[in-house]
Amino acid sequence: DSGVTQTPKHLITATGQRVTLRCSPRSGDLSVYWYQQSLDQGLQFLIQYYNGEERAKGNILERFSAQQFPDLHSELNLSSLELGDSALYFCASSVEGRGDEQYFGPGTRLTVT
Amino acid sequence: GQNIDQPTEMTATEGAIVQINCTYQTSGFNGLFWYQQHAGEAPTFLSYNVLDGLEEKGRFSSFLSRSKGYSYLLLKELQMKDSASYLCAVPYNQGGKLIFGQGTELSVKP
Repeated sequence: DSGVTQTPKHLITATGQRVTLRCSPRSGDLSVYWYQQSLDQGLQFLIQYYNGEERAKGNILERFSAQQFPDLHSELNLSSLELGDSALYFCASSVEGRGDEQYFGPGTRLTVT
Repeated sequence: GQNIDQPTEMTATEGAIVQINCTYQTSGFNGLFWYQQHAGEAPTFLSYNVLDGLEEKGRFSSFLSRSKGYSYLLLKELQMKDSASYLCAVPYNQGGKLIFGQGTELSVKP
């Protein structure tokens, strides 16, 4: 158990819908990261927050957005869902957010039908 | 830019030793990570190398050569539970974003 929690564990929804994934970092970690993992793509970085501020952005679609709240939990919002958005979404956290080891949550498996 | 290469698959026998290689190209090196990921589960941190040489941690060791852009993960006394994907990753531009290789799927056979 890494200490990072994610909810929900599974999510099944229809195309065109919007969902919110939630992540709580390990106690003491200020930085949160979101990654997408699909079968043919491997782990792809989406976005990073550090103490409430966006720090780095990957190839995150405009339909996706995220934020980190004052209590350091983070939410990833996915809208206008498409079949290709079906994937495992992982949240990770680290203390400093600059090249230190990241600890991953159990992931949310999103299935878009 | 960043580029990471790992073999796609490897097979080894229970009790044996296996070496998983990773080559990388990065602008501004800030260390290299190895993660283990069982199917459908979260990646778990195995090791971090920032200086050249071998870091040993129980049955797992990781080696780095910065001049060659090369690392390997060495797994000894293989167990069936070591069957998993092994991911090599480097931070992007010395920041927090990790660039992952595609992973090496290791199958341990009895």
